[in-house]
Amino acid sequence: EDQVTQSPEALRLQEGESSSLNCSYTVSGLRGLFWYRQDPGKGPEFLFTLYSAGEEKEKERLKATLTKKESFLHITAPKPEDSATYLCAVQAANDYKLSFGAGTTVTVRA
Amino acid sequence: KAGVTQTPRYLIKTRGQQVTLSCSPISGHRSVSWYQQTPGQGLQFLFEYFSETQRNKGNFPGRFSGRQFSNSRSEMNVSTLELGDSALYLCASSNPQGSQETQYFGPGTRLLVL
Repeated sequence: EDQVTQSPEALRLQEGESSSLNCSYTVSGLRGLFWYRQDPGKGPEFLFTLYSAGEEKEKERLKATLTKKESFLHITAPKPEDSATYLCAVQAANDYKLSFGAGTTVTVRA
Repeated sequence: KAGVTQTPRYLIKTRGQQVTLSCSPISGHRSVSWYQQTPGQGLQFLFEYFSETQRNKGNFPGRFSGRQFSNSRSEMNVSTLELGDSALYLCASSNPQGSQETQYFGPGTRLLVL
C-alpha cells in the first residue's frame, strides 16, 4: 500500500526565515508526486507535479525537489501569505487515486 | 477557464438520511475523483470516474456511491448517514494525457451529520 509521511507536522517561521518541508514516500512505481496548498475551509490548490528523481520545479518563493524516496518543498524568504497547510500526495503507476500525507501546517509571522 | 465547482457548499443532515453531492469538472476534463477529508484521517480517496465508468474505488462502505454523466459532471451519494460521515467532501478533475495527470480540486462540500 502506498504510504506518504510528511514532516514536521507544524512549522512556525518568522517572515524571511527560509525552511524546508519533507515528504517521504513508498509507492509501487511512482507515476507522479504532487504538492498542494490548502487554506482553512478551502479545497487544495495545486502547486507542483514531479515525475522523476532529480526533477525540480519553482514557483515564486517555493521550490520542490524529488529523489527516489522523498520530496522537499523549500520556502525561501516566506511571507505571512504563505501560511497554509502544505499537502504532499503520490500517484502510483497504473493507478488513478492520490494517496495523501497528513500535511505540514506552516505559520509565517510578520 | 472556470475551475471545479461543487454544490452545495454546506449541508446539515441527521443520522439515517441520505445526501447527494454534485461536482462539475473543469471544461474538457473527463476524469472526476472524490475524496473525504476529516481531521483524524486526512484526505482519503473515495472513487474515480472516467467517461462514465468507475475505474477505482477506495475502502469505504457500500453506503458511498457515485456516478458520472455524459457531460463529465459527477454526483456522489451517501445513504443512511452516520455521525462519522461528517467531513469535507472534495471533488477533483483531471485530463489524463499519457502518463501525466494532475488533479485540480474544487472548494468542497462541508457535510455535518447530527
